[in-house]
Amino acid sequence: DTEVTQTPKHLVMGMTNKKSLKCEQHMGHRAMYWYKQKAKKPPELMFVYSYEKLSINESVPSRFSPECPNSSLLNLHLHALQPEDSALYLCASSQMVAGLTYYEQYFGPGTRLTVT
Amino acid sequence: SQQGEEDPQALSIQEGENATMNCSYKTSINNLQWYRQNSGRGLVHLILIRSNEREKHSGRLRVTLDTSKKSSSLLITASRAADTASYFCATDGGTSYGKLTFGQGTILTVHP
Repeated sequence: DTEVTQTPKHLVMGMTNKKSLKCEQHMGHRAMYWYKQKAKKPPELMFVYSYEKLSINESVPSRFSPECPNSSLLNLHLHALQPEDSALYLCASSQMVAGLTYYEQYFGPGTRLTVT
Repeated sequence: SQQGEEDPQALSIQEGENATMNCSYKTSINNLQWYRQNSGRGLVHLILIRSNEREKHSGRLRVTLDTSKKSSSLLITASRAADTASYFCATDGGTSYGKLTFGQGTILTVHP
């Protein structure tokens, strides 16, 4: 199984809502990632988890809260978002060896988020 | 800031022609990867080339890496309409292992 799944596919939320994005992989990958992608732009890294521990946070605002409950699941909790946070949120996973060698990333289809 | 810069920004060709996309980057890398993205979808990994490799092939894809010039190219031979997509280079470099930094991308359109 080389698939990364993301739910929901689409999400519309108000600025006062709390919602969560979910990502799942069953490839045994120990690195998982969240990216944000605006229209006609490249993906921008938000967070990296290595062995279920947060290893990289690209100075993301605290209204985005990642969580890695186990090696197969990755969540992104959203609270008090702004309209400019509307974007495609992509999850990815990859093999890694001893935290030093990372391999190609497998991406999910993304969640299209609209903040109203 | 983005590590990789790609050129051209857009490329339009006929089926059967070859497509070449170039990527330049600024700092040392562990590896460079190429990804394809169909409109509004997730990214698909195409090929990974490590810093000690100079050329790699995968099917109709050929990637070169010149670390002295900090540049890479992706060649798609005998293009098909299904190759229409955005193509991104991404670098994994420095001490932030696992951190991929994407270039701005090339939009490829292949006309049947």
